[in-house]
Amino acid sequence: GAVVSQHPSRVICKSGTSVKIECRSLDFQATTMFWYRQFPKQSLMLMATSNEGSKATYEQGVEKDKFLINHASLTLSTLTVTSAHPEDSSFYICSALDRSTGELFFGEGSRLTVL
Amino acid sequence: AQSVTQPDIHITVSEGASLELRCNYSYGATPYLFWYVQSPGQGLQLLLKYFSGDTLVQGIKGFEAEFKRSQSSFNLRKPSVHWSDAAEYFCAVGAPNTDKLIFGTGTRLQVFP
Repeated sequence: GAVVSQHPSRVICKSGTSVKIECRSLDFQATTMFWYRQFPKQSLMLMATSNEGSKATYEQGVEKDKFLINHASLTLSTLTVTSAHPEDSSFYICSALDRSTGELFFGEGSRLTVL
Repeated sequence: AQSVTQPDIHITVSEGASLELRCNYSYGATPYLFWYVQSPGQGLQLLLKYFSGDTLVQGIKGFEAEFKRSQSSFNLRKPSVHWSDAAEYFCAVGAPNTDKLIFGTGTRLQVFP
């Protein structure tokens, strides 16, 4: 079946540095991908909708300059956490929409720890 | 605005017992409804979904869910739980004219032998 892969699965960085997380659709082309953030023992909060070839659409309260999203190809979207701080530590999950089936597939998630 | 409520934060059952996880939604029309399962440190796996038609939906791993419009509910059920079912379960709602999903807060299922 269709697979969505995220990399890295875990990343630890120092405060003030930037971290890039990749989300790839392996078996299908995804013009639309979504980025979620999940705090411990809480639900997934949609951060932004990533659209191939155009700017991402951010949810209310999500800082665009803090969380840069690039969807440069039909199989890859990247989330860059800029100038990361400890409060950015979280589990980030992406999903990709397979329009041929209408199904949404989720990546394995990336755990970011900012020291 | 759309919203999803999962009233039970944590449920514990014995292996072999039946299971029902509750989900209530708020939406002006008939939404698309989903149940996902998340194992620790993992992404989400789709168990089943409801778009239209038969209100009793069969999913993977022996799960089923029933859409009840009168109760705005989409409860997940399994007749006999296995130890491997221990995980976090999320109900989600999506509007037919958008690809976005709104997730409930999740229910953590613990299974005792």
